[in-house]
Amino acid sequence: SAVISQKPSRDICQRGTSLTIQCQVDSQVTMMFWYRQQPGQSLTLIATANQGSEATYESGFVIDKFPISRPNLTFSTLTVSNMSPEDSSIYLCSVREGPQAQHFGDGTRLSIL
Amino acid sequence: TQLLEQSPQFLSIQEGENLTVYCNSSSVFSSLQWYRQEPGEGPVLLVTVVTGGEVKKLKRLTFQFGDARKDSSLHITAAQPGDTGLYLCAGEQTGANNLFFGTGTRLTVIP
Repeated sequence: SAVISQKPSRDICQRGTSLTIQCQVDSQVTMMFWYRQQPGQSLTLIATANQGSEATYESGFVIDKFPISRPNLTFSTLTVSNMSPEDSSIYLCSVREGPQAQHFGDGTRLSIL
Repeated sequence: TQLLEQSPQFLSIQEGENLTVYCNSSSVFSSLQWYRQEPGEGPVLLVTVVTGGEVKKLKRLTFQFGDARKDSSLHITAAQPGDTGLYLCAGEQTGANNLFFGTGTRLTVIP
């Protein structure tokens, strides 16, 4: 399966700042997704990162707060903007490889003070 | 939002015991995946089931997809401390590109 690398693996940020998370895949993939996992909870889809066009956001998530880039088929970024303590979560990049096979990076653990 | 409810939410058992985790929904899924997530890591895909009534075995783990493709179960035989983790089911619907994740079951196996 594809190897998915996320940077940074963790960060502690100040309230009001922004952080960009990078996701690099070792092969070209059509479908890339960004998820949030709040402490002790399951995964919630933030958006689908579309190559060459604007990301598709799920209900409750907006582009101004979570801008996403997808310049090519192996790379994407997620920015968490104007952070508040409620944004403290694990942010996970995921790729779809063929039918019924979706894989995840190890995530970025974000804490906001 | 397609809701996938998992039960139990938390489970703490002794090494060597058996357990079953359930994943239930009122919606039909074209496939259902099970993941295990350990602290500090992303979810790792264990298995995908696609046919109603399908049973798949992975060593001591047995996965079943309900006949109506609305529910699934994960049975672990003779649990080991290495089975400790967060177990997540995730359903896919025809025509959708993303997965709907279950509420999660946190398993602790005590040596």
